[in-house]
Formats: sequence, C-alpha cells, structure tokens
Amino acid sequence: QKEVEQDPGPLSVPEGAIVSLNCTYSNSAFQYFMWYRQYSRKGPELLMYTYSSGNKEDGRFTAQVDKSSKYISLFIRDSQPSDSATYLCAVSTSGTYKYIFGTGTRLKVLA
Amino acid sequence: NAGVTQTPKFQVLKTGQSMTLQCAQDMNHEYMSWYRQDPGMGLRLIHYSVGAGITDQGEVPNGYNVSRSTTEDFPLRLLSAAPSQTSVYFCASGNSGATDTQYFGPGTRLTVL
Repeated sequence: QKEVEQDPGPLSVPEGAIVSLNCTYSNSAFQYFMWYRQYSRKGPELLMYTYSSGNKEDGRFTAQVDKSSKYISLFIRDSQPSDSATYLCAVSTSGTYKYIFGTGTRLKVLA
Repeated sequence: NAGVTQTPKFQVLKTGQSMTLQCAQDMNHEYMSWYRQDPGMGLRLIHYSVGAGITDQGEVPNGYNVSRSTTEDFPLRLLSAAPSQTSVYFCASGNSGATDTQYFGPGTRLTVL
C-alpha cells in the first residue's frame, strides 16, 4: 500500500463549479499537509499548507485535514479555466522535509 | 529574488555518460532536496541536505550523488547514466521553522538513450 493515495483523474468540470480534490494517507505520524499546483511542464508551486487537523482558507481555496480518517481535501470554489493543472498533495512528519507526494490529480476546467 | 533555479532545462545523454544537474537558491534556505517525477509515480525524493556539508539519502538514491559545499548550491551528479534515469528532475529548497514548506525549481528534463 502506498503511503499517500490520490486519484489521478482526469477530472473535468465546467467553469464556476466547486471542485473537490482528495488524498488519503496511511501513517498517523504525518503532521504537515501540503497542496501543490503544477502547470504543464512547470515546477510544482505551493498552494496551501496545513499543520495538523482543521481547515485553512485562502481566497477560493480551502484545505481540510481529517486526521481521524487520514483524509485530506482541497476545495476550489468558482473554478476558472486558469485552475486547469495537476494538483499534488504532500505529507511529512514534524521536523523533516522528507515529503511524500501523491501521484497528482489532473484537473480541467472547461470555459 | 530568483528563487530556485535549475540548469540545464533539457538534456539528452547516452547510456554510461555522466553529468551534473545544477541547482541554486538565493533565499538563504537551509534545506535543499532533489526529486524525480515519473508518470504514475508522482515526485520521489532522491537526496536532501539540511545544511552545508550535510547530505542524506531519500527514497530513490541509487545512481545519484550529491554534495553541499555552500548554502546556495546543491548539484546532483549522475555518474553513469542509465535509461531508467530518464525523468524530470526538480530541485527544492525550504527554511527550517514552523512552516516546513518547500519551493520548487522549474525542472530539468533528462532523456537517457
């Protein structure tokens, strides 16, 4: 079993839809949870970062962590064609930078 | 700030050749790392460094060497390239502290024939 599982998609939604992207993880020691956005042929860019459980909001983006079920989510409200990218979740244990990445979900927002 | 820079952007090698992928950051970050990204595999950690003179292995270190003589630079060496090392390579850097976040470079696309 992989330490982090993520549905690869692709996920196609119409412009303006609410998008829900998810990852599950297996190790309860993970404390840091990140979402990266990666456009085609570019490096990943940090989108959201959460420590431990709870929600974090930044504009149209909300990250949610449920440590009891080992489930992390990213919600995108009012999705735009410019949101079309691959979204990668990443986890790490406290005090290390040894990220474990999901395989990424490819999102397409249709105009 | 340029952030994290990587050179070259593209490279084609023949099996058995050696080369060095360059990575530099101007954010005075203590932590630097190298990942490779392959279809269906996500990003996998090759080597990382928590400061000048300190390096350690990640998940897939075989066939790669690193060194960290300065805070700014973290080169990745392929001693004898193999087709299995065809991949996109990303360098990242981050600062120790509460946030534990990393910032990635634009990547080097390597093909080994």
